[in-house]
Amino acid sequence: QQQVRQSPQSLTVWEGETAILNCSYEDSTFDYFPWYRLFPGESPALLIAIRPVSNKKEDGRFTIFFNKREKKLSLHITDSQPGDSATYFCAASAVDSNYQLIWGSGTKLIIKP
Amino acid sequence: EAAVTQSPRNKVAVTGGKVTLSCNQTNNHNNMYWYRQDTGHGLRLIHYSYGAGSTEKGDIPDGYKASRPSQENFSLILELATPSQTSVYFCASGGTAETLYFGSGTRLTVL
Repeated sequence: QQQVRQSPQSLTVWEGETAILNCSYEDSTFDYFPWYRLFPGESPALLIAIRPVSNKKEDGRFTIFFNKREKKLSLHITDSQPGDSATYFCAASAVDSNYQLIWGSGTKLIIKP
Repeated sequence: EAAVTQSPRNKVAVTGGKVTLSCNQTNNHNNMYWYRQDTGHGLRLIHYSYGAGSTEKGDIPDGYKASRPSQENFSLILELATPSQTSVYFCASGGTAETLYFGSGTRLTVL
């Protein structure tokens, strides 16, 4: 059972455009939603995260929009740069699961110059 | 600075051979994890541990064993490697979901 779903599986946008990566979940007890970024040959690294008390979290060009009612969230990358090309993972955890992260399948983002 | 070190970085094994992937963390985290990452599947949890002497099965434990002899070290063991276990393996340590640190990964090829 896939509790965290990501779409699209791959996404190509032009440099300067806004890339939108989508994530949805099923478990209403999830209370922490991080996005990780994985560059080829490197380690997954935390990019930005949100808790359901907020519906928006910004960090520079990266913004999470969160819709608790629909159990959906999205990561917006504005002014996309070729250096943003990577695989992005949405994940979720709940305090009563000892903070185990449930991972989405990832979105491979390609930014064309 | 939080550090998770994996070895080896790359490994080529033969079908039926034994493979041991090692992970060391200097973060003093109780929890450690082994994931494999395959295109289209994201990060899949193989085994995890809550502390020295503890190992727990993750979502895809079949064909893998784990060992946590100390707080710092967590190994993943493939007793009889198969080509389907060709993947990139990541070790991670964490106190909570908000403090999860990954190693640089091991690329395993089973021929």
